[in-house]
Amino acid sequence: GAGVSQSPSNKVTEKGKDVELRCDPISGHTALYWYRQSLGQGLEFLIYFQGNSAPDKSGLPSDRFSAERTGGSVSTLTIQRTQQEDSAVYLCASSLEGRGYGYTFGSGTRLTVV
Amino acid sequence: KNEVEQSPQNLTAQEGEFITINCSYSVGISALHWLQQHPGGGIVSLFMLSSGKKKHGRLIATINIQEKHSSLHITASHPRDSAVYICAVGLGKWGSQGNLIFGKGTKLSVKP
Repeated sequence: GAGVSQSPSNKVTEKGKDVELRCDPISGHTALYWYRQSLGQGLEFLIYFQGNSAPDKSGLPSDRFSAERTGGSVSTLTIQRTQQEDSAVYLCASSLEGRGYGYTFGSGTRLTVV
Repeated sequence: KNEVEQSPQNLTAQEGEFITINCSYSVGISALHWLQQHPGGGIVSLFMLSSGKKKHGRLIATINIQEKHSSLHITASHPRDSAVYICAVGLGKWGSQGNLIFGKGTKLSVKP
């Protein structure tokens, strides 16, 4: 696609429910990143996929968070048993790997846990 | 101490003024990014640089690797430049950019 597409754009869920957030990166981009931005806070790295390599999960805040990337393209971020502190904007970005390539961000999914 | 520090946190300018936003970092990096985030909007990548200087329109970004410092300049500022400007550093080797560490952002407001 022309840009990084995220869905849904907004999600309200009840505490304790599971949610899935989707990211469609730019076609051909081998690297995919998930970040989150909590209210009044800066951006926080969650997870990074690069090609067929094992993902860098070092930013995931707890084992309730997981992500997968199927076929080197679409990625799904899953949050199990959501908590109110999970409320944030979840941003996906993709890039080509290598010197000189920047990141393209999606518009984000605003998650509200009530 | 945060690994990426930006200053100022907030900046108000009059239309037409020359603006400088600073970013200092304390880790080894593969690249430094300047991002723009409009209220309620997504994030736009402005620059990615590892040395020297880049220019795009009224925006100029510079980096000094030895001093671990970068600046973003806006010439002839305009109200539409009002946004949060975020500095982020990329870790890892060039072949693997890895994740980004973000500064807390500088909120710029340009008054007409």
